[in-house]
Amino acid sequence: GQSLEQPSEVTAVEGAIVQINCTYQTSGFYGLSWYQQHDGGAPTFLSYNALDGLEETGRFSSFLSRSDSYGYLLLQELQMKDSASYFCALERGAGNMLTFGGGTRLMVKP
Amino acid sequence: DTAVSQTPKYLVTQMGNDKSIKCEQNLGHDTMYWYKQDSKKFLKIMFSYNNKELIINETVPNRFSPKSPDKAHLNLHINSLELGDSAVYFCASSQVSGVTYEQYFGPGTRLTVT
Repeated sequence: GQSLEQPSEVTAVEGAIVQINCTYQTSGFYGLSWYQQHDGGAPTFLSYNALDGLEETGRFSSFLSRSDSYGYLLLQELQMKDSASYFCALERGAGNMLTFGGGTRLMVKP
Repeated sequence: DTAVSQTPKYLVTQMGNDKSIKCEQNLGHDTMYWYKQDSKKFLKIMFSYNNKELIINETVPNRFSPKSPDKAHLNLHINSLELGDSAVYFCASSQVSGVTYEQYFGPGTRLTVT
């Protein structure tokens, strides 16, 4: 089976940089994804790592190390609108289904 | 211009009833999914459906059944509803045969079983 662990809550100030970690245990997967979800909204895609290393998309970057069973999402120049829940997810198996971590609630303060 | 749509947005029903949630995607994707998000915001895959091949998460009770009339639709039927079925249900789609890997989620259907 597989499980993904994330911190439940992170707080940071506007303009700062925050890193949300994700550790996992799995027998195999295609890639690690990150999704953002605002309260009452739907998950929206942020980033994907199929290979080890850093992927950068604007203010967001994501990292994967398969040898360490570890990944992270890095958010730079935090804005108030970044307050949301962030989920890491493993893409795996037939059907390319996503197995999600428990989510990290990010609160950005002025 | 909605990419993935679901109806209804809210559904309140009593235990024991049978209900359906509809999902449609206009992205031309080849794979659709259903996810359940519980009150603690934990998201769990229920089904994946690709070109008439159904992949079922083994923990999903057989009271839940997806029905796909065509490639753009994947409806969710739930029989004999239980209190524990109360959750937000998200439909999603993706193009797994291509190079994209992101899944597009619908707005969700909040199901309340009383």
